Amino acid sequence: NAGVTQTPKFQVLKTGQSMTLQCAQDMNHEYMSWYRQDPGMGLRLIHYSVGAGITDQGEVPNGYNVSRSTTEDFPLRLLSAAPSQTSVYFCASSYSFGGGGYTFGSGTRLTVV
Amino acid sequence: KQEVTQIPAALSVPEGENLVLNCSFTDSAIYNLQWFRQDPGKGLTSLLLIQSSQREQTSGRLNASLDKSSGRSTLYIAASQPGDSATYLCAVRNYGQNFVFGPGTRLSVLP
Repeated sequence: NAGVTQTPKFQVLKTGQSMTLQCAQDMNHEYMSWYRQDPGMGLRLIHYSVGAGITDQGEVPNGYNVSRSTTEDFPLRLLSAAPSQTSVYFCASSYSFGGGGYTFGSGTRLTVV
Repeated sequence: KQEVTQIPAALSVPEGENLVLNCSFTDSAIYNLQWFRQDPGKGLTSLLLIQSSQREQTSGRLNASLDKSSGRSTLYIAASQPGDSATYLCAVRNYGQNFVFGPGTRLSVLP
């Protein structure tokens, strides 16, 4: 049982480049989400999905795009990377929007230069 | 809007001590509460999940209690060990909402 798998673990981007952070879960969880964690700011919600085909914005959605075509996968796209997007990104899933606890992936450390 | 605070922000104790970490939340109509551990540079590991109908959960040396009416949860760690050193985060979820995280308590257990 792999849980939540995030790739890549580390990434360096140049300003203006685009990339996709991958998140996959094998627990048949309906709910998936993306957070960023910055020193002194805690965990902030970027986007979330309550099921395949349904996504919504969180607290800090600007500069990010998501889609949910399958239950298992929830990729996060950076459209045009900026230094302010340097952060650690975590994907989390739960059984449903209202129930169950979070299972987190191991994170992606992104640096934008 | 749900807000979560954790006290203290940092804590340093000698090995073997029993300790309590505190989590407070402003909206008591929660669905569940979850405690996590995060080691430096690592992801979040779930420690305990308490449903709103429960008063406490236990796992090994860890015991988490929930008092919804007062908007508080405590994480009790018995006989602390240097390996317990980490940041502990509390997260609260109202029904149909996303989890809201506290800022964490950074724990150091000294040998």
